[in-house]
Amino acid sequence: GAGVSQSPRYKVAKRGQDVALRCDPISGHVSLFWYQQALGQGPEFLTYFQNEAQLDKSGLPSDRFFAERPEGSVSTLKIQRTQKEDSAVYLCASSSPGQGAKNIQYFGAGTRLSVL
Amino acid sequence: AQSVTQLDSQVPVFEEAPVELRCNYSSSVSVYLFWYVQYPNQGLQLLLKYLSGSTLVKGINGFEAEFNKSQTSFHLRKPSVHISDTAEYFCAVSDTTNAGKSTFGDGTTLTVKP
Repeated sequence: GAGVSQSPRYKVAKRGQDVALRCDPISGHVSLFWYQQALGQGPEFLTYFQNEAQLDKSGLPSDRFFAERPEGSVSTLKIQRTQKEDSAVYLCASSSPGQGAKNIQYFGAGTRLSVL
Repeated sequence: AQSVTQLDSQVPVFEEAPVELRCNYSSSVSVYLFWYVQYPNQGLQLLLKYLSGSTLVKGINGFEAEFNKSQTSFHLRKPSVHISDTAEYFCAVSDTTNAGKSTFGDGTTLTVKP
């Protein structure tokens, strides 16, 4: 597709379950970002990849959160032993190579995670 | 580290009226500045960005913003709004030295009434 695709769009999990959220970036985009958006707040940075390398994971809230991008394209954000406070929309964004922070980030529609 | 404050959580206006959504930021380094729009159940869409040069930046859908370095502000304006402009608007900054990690404000809900 032409845009960033995220799946599933909605996920309901029982507390303690593991979940995996998928992001398909725009073809050819080198950089990939994950953000967490809690209800009524702006997105907060979680982690950043350049190709398959995870260059910044300073925003991951705990060691229950893990992200990977093994082939430098699709990325998966995994949350182990989900807690109620993990309920949020998880946004993925990708950007084209070069120009660093000048790049436009293209966002997916997000995955809304509800932990019961 | 950077921070962004959007001064109004909700802004109601009538159709065809002008609107200003306010954004102030704090940073110890040079930053790039962005405004995004988010419609319900959708991702963020870039409205405009300031990288350098002219402090008045024009974006899509008739929006513009002015960068004021002395006041560390980047307010968004539109001279005449439409019903379709009803959405959530986010101001964001990113460090010019990194790869684009952005810090967002908490958003302003713009509601345009007929």
